[in-house]
Amino acid sequence: SQQGEEDPQALSIQEGENATMNCSYKTSINNLQWYRQNSGRGLVHLILIRSNEREKHSGRLRVTLDTSKKSSSLLITASRAADTASYFCVMTSGSRLTFGEGTQLTVNP
Amino acid sequence: EAGVTQSPTHLIKTRGQQATLRCSPISGHTSVYWYQQALGLGLQFLLWYDEGEERNRGNFPPRFSGRQFPNYSSELNVNALELEDSALYLCASSARLGADTQYFGPGTRLTVL
Repeated sequence: SQQGEEDPQALSIQEGENATMNCSYKTSINNLQWYRQNSGRGLVHLILIRSNEREKHSGRLRVTLDTSKKSSSLLITASRAADTASYFCVMTSGSRLTFGEGTQLTVNP
Repeated sequence: EAGVTQSPTHLIKTRGQQATLRCSPISGHTSVYWYQQALGLGLQFLLWYDEGEERNRGNFPPRFSGRQFPNYSSELNVNALELEDSALYLCASSARLGADTQYFGPGTRLTVL
């Protein structure tokens, strides 16, 4: 099945630093979303970017999408310890969502 | 507004048994999705129901089945449990057929011994 690839798999930074996570996919998409998951819990929707958009902002989050390279990035600025979680990119193609492998972000206080 | 709810929170079964997991979508949502998140395998799409009908199915054997009730709540049944079925099972709902954003429940942790 189509899976997105995310890198890095794990990222450890200090509070206040920026965190960048990347996602690549294989086939055309309608939109791409980023979700966050705290350990063993459900997923929380963060932001959606449509295939005709290149950049989107929401608070401390900035998402870019490059459909020619089939890639997206999520930037979290001024990170906080509470941002520690797994982050997943999710590709929508038709009616199905396909998840990336996830990036485990650890923000050290 | 209440979010997606799932029950039970944890479920422990032995090999060969059957497990039933339940999900209640956000009020007004008609689509319910099931996902399996097994250790080391990431999130895998299982099933999608809308208006009581199965709309799509992931690459899982037939012993994974489910249904959606008239009130849009849903059950996921796993028959003949195997050890590798141990995982977090997540349910999500969306507002309409093919809506972009899915809202996830907290999950049911299934452990097969």
